[in-house]
Amino acid sequence: GIQVEQSPPDLILQEGANSTLRCNFSDSVNNLQWFHQNPWGQLINLFYIPSGTKQNGRLSATTVATERYSLLYISSSQTTDSGVYFCAVTRTGTASKLTFGTGTRLQVTL
Amino acid sequence: DAGVIQSPRHEVTEMGQEVTLRCKPISGHNSLFWYRQTMMRGLELLIYFNNNVPIDDSGMPEDRFSAKMPNASFSTLKIQPSEPRDSAVYFCASSPRETGGGNTIYFGEGSWLTVV
Repeated sequence: GIQVEQSPPDLILQEGANSTLRCNFSDSVNNLQWFHQNPWGQLINLFYIPSGTKQNGRLSATTVATERYSLLYISSSQTTDSGVYFCAVTRTGTASKLTFGTGTRLQVTL
Repeated sequence: DAGVIQSPRHEVTEMGQEVTLRCKPISGHNSLFWYRQTMMRGLELLIYFNNNVPIDDSGMPEDRFSAKMPNASFSTLKIQPSEPRDSAVYFCASSPRETGGGNTIYFGEGSWLTVV
């Protein structure tokens, strides 16, 4: 199956700092989504972004499908950004099998 | 609109007992997914349904696990008999159409299962 690797595995930031999270995948995809799992375990969809760039407030994401990677940018981080960020992809030709990466655990401190 | 609704939120059961987890997808969504999350293995897709039909159950770990979707608004994941290694958070999720078509997937809050 498709391999999804995320880096870094852990990240500690001071409030107000910026960060970039990376997702590499091993095959062509027709679906890529970023999720945030908050400290209470809830999984929230952030972006659907199989290619191109999107922005939503302090978050933005870019996927370069031909290079098989995606980046999630967090600017002016806040303590509420803490949690685990997952990248998930669907390999082209496998209609609905969304495969998750191992996640980046982010802690934002005061 | 209500999101994906799962029950129970928390369950503690003894080894050997039957466990049934329930899910109500978002109304109008045609695809339903069961995921399991553990520290060791992360988020794994167990099974998904499209239009109430199981499409891919290759992630179901053993015959002790079974899933059904009798109608568009209800699905169950059953473990019988349960074992301590089944302890995990089980997520149900739904999507308007197959996610390969570019549709966002929405997760429930999860069922936290502990088997002692």
